Amino acid sequence: EIVMTQSPATLSVSPGERATLSCRASQSVSSNLAWYQQKPGQAPRLLIYGASTRATGIPARFSGSGSGTEFTLTISSLQSEDFAVYYCQQYKNWPSTFGQGTKLEIK
Amino acid sequence: QVQLVQSGAEVKKPGASVKVSCKASGYSFTSYGISWVRQAPGQGLEWMGWISAYNGNTNYAQKLQGRVTMTTDTSTTTAYLELGSLRSDDTAVYYCARTYSGYDYWGQGTLVTVSS
Repeated sequence: EIVMTQSPATLSVSPGERATLSCRASQSVSSNLAWYQQKPGQAPRLLIYGASTRATGIPARFSGSGSGTEFTLTISSLQSEDFAVYYCQQYKNWPSTFGQGTKLEIK
Repeated sequence: QVQLVQSGAEVKKPGASVKVSCKASGYSFTSYGISWVRQAPGQGLEWMGWISAYNGNTNYAQKLQGRVTMTTDTSTTTAYLELGSLRSDDTAVYYCARTYSGYDYWGQGTLVTVSS
């Protein structure tokens, strides 16, 4: 199975600053990569699919890039509601697999 | 609007089975698959499997093979997850999610607690 590794485990950033989250796949997933945001007590929310396409209703400050094995989620100017846990997921091969998550916290 | 509404919390004893439902509305049910994902307390997301609502084809996580069954009822636009031979480490919130490219709509989650 494809192993997804996210870094860092925790990222401390001040509101208004840029956050960059990384996700690495153990083998190529092409562009079959999604990003999710999860807040405590809530279901995950799809942010990005196809590595770089924003899902419906997702603000433009969220952007995704990469292909193959290296991917990045960038949040250009952090708002208070963006502090949460972020997961990447590959859906190229069965089983689909998630990264372990990056917790984005307020600095 | 698209909605996935799951059944309520369950408490089960080790060795028992649990069946969780996921009622879909607001879209063409058979045009999408449904995936099931679980999250143990304080842990990350674990993919459990996928079912095509069109023809019932399934793909399960290898570690759950033999204990998990996913089904759909197109007449009621409902997906079901059944997990048997429950163990304490099956305690988790179980989510269904509409599947296409990524999982764009999720149910609210169902807490399953396995305890003697």
